[in-house]
Amino acid sequence: AQKITQTQPGMFVQEKEAVTLDCTYDTSDQSYGLFWYKQPSSGEMIFLIYQGSYDEQNATEGRYSLNFQKARKSANLVISASQLGDSAMYFCAMREQTSGTYKYIFGTGTRLKVLA
Amino acid sequence: DGGITQSPKYLFRKEGQNVTLSCEQNLNHDAMYWYRQDPGQGLRLIYYSQIVNDFQKGDIAEGYSVSREKKESFPLTVTSAQKNPTAFYLCASSIVTFPIGHAGYTFGSGTRLTVV
Repeated sequence: AQKITQTQPGMFVQEKEAVTLDCTYDTSDQSYGLFWYKQPSSGEMIFLIYQGSYDEQNATEGRYSLNFQKARKSANLVISASQLGDSAMYFCAMREQTSGTYKYIFGTGTRLKVLA
Repeated sequence: DGGITQSPKYLFRKEGQNVTLSCEQNLNHDAMYWYRQDPGQGLRLIYYSQIVNDFQKGDIAEGYSVSREKKESFPLTVTSAQKNPTAFYLCASSIVTFPIGHAGYTFGSGTRLTVV
């Protein structure tokens, strides 16, 4: 079963607008971490934002915020005031502990295109 | 500065040849990982290692081999048994024990492998 689901293969947003990238997850653990990464065309993975399962406040990092709805098991990324440089692939990931091992599971990604 | 170095950035392989992708980190991370990424797709785990001289298969280990003789190094060999090796390969490392907050992955810059 898919543990991280990103249902939007591609998204368009107008420059300076806000955009939400969806991510739902599935875990039976109480303690887990959720991450968003950005992958530009060059290929490197850039860490954007983190949300711990016990964090009561939604995480924010500059123009990035994470809309964490624990009961719905969703961790959507919100990018405010989109810039042309935001055009990239975005991955949601979850860190969970299984049998004493920490594993990181990635979604299939959402390709975001910012339009001028 | 600490980080992960992957080399080479681009690699061409003839059919039937084995090739080895290098991954070196100086972050003193215990765990290292290899992922494969196909165009427009997410990351799929090939192998991972939590400790020196030990490693486990990921989701798509067939046709690949690894070694972990030193904490800093986790080379990946793509063998001739891997029928469709053309892809982008990402190496990552992480803290194993009690990761705090966003102590998630640190990624290398990737190796693009093409079969010619």
